[in-house]
Amino acid sequence: DMQMSQSPSSLSAFVGDRVTITCRASRGIANKLAWYQQRPGKVPNLLIYAASTLQSGVPSRFSASASGTDFTLTISSLQPEDVATYYCQNYDDAPLTFGGGTKVEI
Amino acid sequence: EVQLVESGGGFIQPGGSLRLSCAASGFTFSSYTMGWVRQAPGRGLGWVSDINPSGGRTYYADSVRGRFTISRDNSKNTLYLQMNSLRVEDTAVYYCAKAKDIGSSYDYWGQGALVTVSS
Repeated sequence: DMQMSQSPSSLSAFVGDRVTITCRASRGIANKLAWYQQRPGKVPNLLIYAASTLQSGVPSRFSASASGTDFTLTISSLQPEDVATYYCQNYDDAPLTFGGGTKVEI
Repeated sequence: EVQLVESGGGFIQPGGSLRLSCAASGFTFSSYTMGWVRQAPGRGLGWVSDINPSGGRTYYADSVRGRFTISRDNSKNTLYLQMNSLRVEDTAVYYCAKAKDIGSSYDYWGQGALVTVSS
């Protein structure tokens, strides 16, 4: 079955820091990968789709890239409102597996 | 404005059944793949099921296949999840979600419906 390995599981950084989260797929997924942000007590919010395309309305400090089965989400300058858990998701084929999540704290 | 409103959650004993509904508005419901995603208390997101725009193709996570059934009524702009043979481990908030495109990521999510399975 498809596995999405996300790391780290948690991180703490300072306001203004560059933060990087990675996700590795157990097989090729043709860049059919999304990143979601879930703030505490809130509904998930789509940040990135097609591995590197920014969803409308998402701040430009968020970016993402792909290399084979490795995917990266970067926050260029961490802001207080970015405190959240971030999830990657494969949507290449069912099961549409989510990564385990990365909790980002200030 | 896109809105997804879930209903039908609640407390149920193991082995019981429950049907979740998701009322959609603000977009052409019949043109989009829809799905269900769940989140157990304090845990991560878990994909449950998807259904294509016509309702003719459905997909399930291994953990729910054979027990849950996804369906839709495009005339009522409503998505359903029939959950049978519920287990304690099915306890979660269930989110209804709209896909950007067929076979795509989810661009809109409902507020979620809590399902608690306990004796």
